[in-house]
Amino acid sequence: GQQVMQIPQYQHVQEGEDFTTYCNSSTTLSNIQWYKQRPGGHPVFLIQLVKSGEVKKQKRLTFQFGEAKKNSSLHITATQTTDVGTYFCAQADRGSTLGRLYFGRGTQLTVWP
Amino acid sequence: DSGVTQTPKHLITATGQRVTLRCSPRSGDLSVYWYQQSLDQGLQFLIHYYNGEERAKGNILERFSAQQFPDLHSELNLSSLELGDSALYFCASSVAGRGAYNEQFFGPGTRLTVL
Repeated sequence: GQQVMQIPQYQHVQEGEDFTTYCNSSTTLSNIQWYKQRPGGHPVFLIQLVKSGEVKKQKRLTFQFGEAKKNSSLHITATQTTDVGTYFCAQADRGSTLGRLYFGRGTQLTVWP
Repeated sequence: DSGVTQTPKHLITATGQRVTLRCSPRSGDLSVYWYQQSLDQGLQFLIHYYNGEERAKGNILERFSAQQFPDLHSELNLSSLELGDSALYFCASSVAGRGAYNEQFFGPGTRLTVL
C-alpha cells in the first residue's frame, strides 16, 4: 500500500499561534483524508480531499491537496486549547480493496494556554 | 459519539491466551474495518469486511482472525497472545465497501494488555 509520511511528529505552540502539519507521498495519491484523535480518544474524520489543488476550510482549519497530488497540509489559524490532539492524514485504498486507510504517523499538537 | 460500539473497553490477559473483541457498526453501515494502534507501529489496518464478506487483509497475523455476522456486527479473535500484541484495537465502519472514498467512523477502541 502507499505510504504517507507526516511531519512534524510533535508540535508545541502557544495558544493563538498557527500550526501546520504536512503529509507527503512519493507517489500520486488518489485522495487524502484527515482525522483528529484527542488524547484518550478515537480518530474522528475531519475532511477528505480528492481533486488536484483542492482547498477546503472548516472555520480555523484549512486543508490543501497539492497540485501533483503528492502532498497535503492542514493549517490551523490561532490555535486554541481545544485543538490539542494528534492529527493524522490517511489515504483510502481504491480498487478491489477500496476503503482501507493507510495512516501517516500523525502530528501530536500541544497547545500551551 | 460515532455510533460505533466496541466491547470490552479494556482487556487484560496473559500470554498464550485467546480473546475476542466485538464491534457493532453504525446503523446502515455495511463495511467494518479493524485497526491496531501501538506506539511503535502507529495506526495499522488489519482487515476489512463488507456485508459479511472479507474484502481486504492488511498486516494481520495468522494468530488473528475476524468475521462479520449477518447482523453486521464483527468480532476480532486474537489467539496465542504475545506481549507485543498489547495495543489499542479500533473498529471503524463506513457506508460503502466500493465505489467511493467514504469517511470512516471509529469506535472508542478496546485497550488490550497482555501480561
